[in-house]
Amino acid sequence: GPKVLQIPSHQIIDMGQMVTLNCDPVSNHLYFYWYKQILGQQMEFLVNFYNGKVMEKSKLFKDQFSVERPDGSYFTLKIQPTALEDSAVYFCASSLSGGHYAEQFFGPGTRLTVL
Amino acid sequence: DAKTTQPDSMESTEGETVHLPCSHATISGNEYIYWYRQVPLQGPEYVTHGLQQNTTNSMAFLAIASDRKSSTLILPHVSLRDAAVYHCILRVQGGSAKLIFGEGTKLTVSS
Repeated sequence: GPKVLQIPSHQIIDMGQMVTLNCDPVSNHLYFYWYKQILGQQMEFLVNFYNGKVMEKSKLFKDQFSVERPDGSYFTLKIQPTALEDSAVYFCASSLSGGHYAEQFFGPGTRLTVL
Repeated sequence: DAKTTQPDSMESTEGETVHLPCSHATISGNEYIYWYRQVPLQGPEYVTHGLQQNTTNSMAFLAIASDRKSSTLILPHVSLRDAAVYHCILRVQGGSAKLIFGEGTKLTVSS
């Protein structure tokens, strides 16, 4: 089936540094999402993105977070600066359409460790 | 969105048919019932969804109670690959695209 890729699979950085997580969504999909899952906890929605704009974001999507997809390339999540509580697995997802009926396809996640 | 309640865990043996229950007593008429599953170290995967009628696809059968206050995901002839955490999620028609995950049911499959 359709695949979402995430690069890198694991990233270790020092607190205060900037990090960019990359997502290669399904090729014809138009809606993009980031979710965060702290080890042993529930997965939580961060943000969804369409047509170059943030459509919806949660309270977890702090001011230090930003997303973009320049010219149809990777969909990225940038954290600047990082904090210890940002350590988690970040999952990217994409869907062909938006709304409740859209099947979201998830990537394998990027494990971010902030030291 | 209305809340769902699922058992924390269930155990099964390969080849069995597994029934995963989900309670959604306060479901609204415009809320769809979605099921996703997540295998360790992977992202969630869509399983199925329904509104009122039972639905079936290659992965599972979704049985929805006539009053819609509960549903059951039925996995026929489970294999080791079906071991995962199964999430029952309600989504409002015309509402947000975000998925709200709970704890889900951890299904263990033994050989």
